[in-house]
Amino acid sequence: DSGVTQTPKHLITATGQRVTLRCSPRSGDLSVYWYQQSLDQGLQFLIQYYNGEERAKGNILERFSAQQFPDLHSELNLSSLELGDSALYFCASSEGTSDYNEQFFGPGTRLTVL
Amino acid sequence: AQKVTQAQTEISVVEKEDVTLDCVYETRDTTYYLFWYKQPPSGELVFLIRRNSFDEQNEISGRYSWNFQKSTSSFNFTITASQVVDSAVYFCALSEEGYSTLTFGKGTMLLVSP
Repeated sequence: DSGVTQTPKHLITATGQRVTLRCSPRSGDLSVYWYQQSLDQGLQFLIQYYNGEERAKGNILERFSAQQFPDLHSELNLSSLELGDSALYFCASSEGTSDYNEQFFGPGTRLTVL
Repeated sequence: AQKVTQAQTEISVVEKEDVTLDCVYETRDTTYYLFWYKQPPSGELVFLIRRNSFDEQNEISGRYSWNFQKSTSSFNFTITASQVVDSAVYFCALSEEGYSTLTFGKGTMLLVSP
């Protein structure tokens, strides 16, 4: 158990809908990262927050947005969902923002868009 | 831009065989970190090792060993006397200086048969 929690574990929805994925980092970790794992794209970094502020952005679509709240939990919002958004979404956390920081991954949320 | 290549998509071995998973990376930075993660069938990502670019000493942890060679930009992972529980997808990843976000390879699926 990494100490990172993600809810829900599974999510099934329809095209055009909007969903919210939630992540609670390990106690004491200030950085939260979101990654998408799909068959064709592999594991891709989406976005990082550090202590409530956006820190880095990767291949995140404009239809996707995220935020980190004062209690450090984070939410990833996916809107106008398409079939291609079906994937495993991981949240990870780390103590800081340094390149040596080890990231601890949550169990993931499997999103299926029908 | 950074890139991680895991050329082996899938490897099948019989229990007790030794197996080496290859990882080749590209980066313009002189300071960077390399990681290996394991993703068992249950889906979570488990951290295995972190290595910084200034430490080329090989590392051994039980049946696992890592060979880092800057001259060939490789960070290979060897499992000695493989076991069925080693069956998983293994990911190599890179973080560049000043950034904690990870660039992952496509992963190598290892199947260990009894």
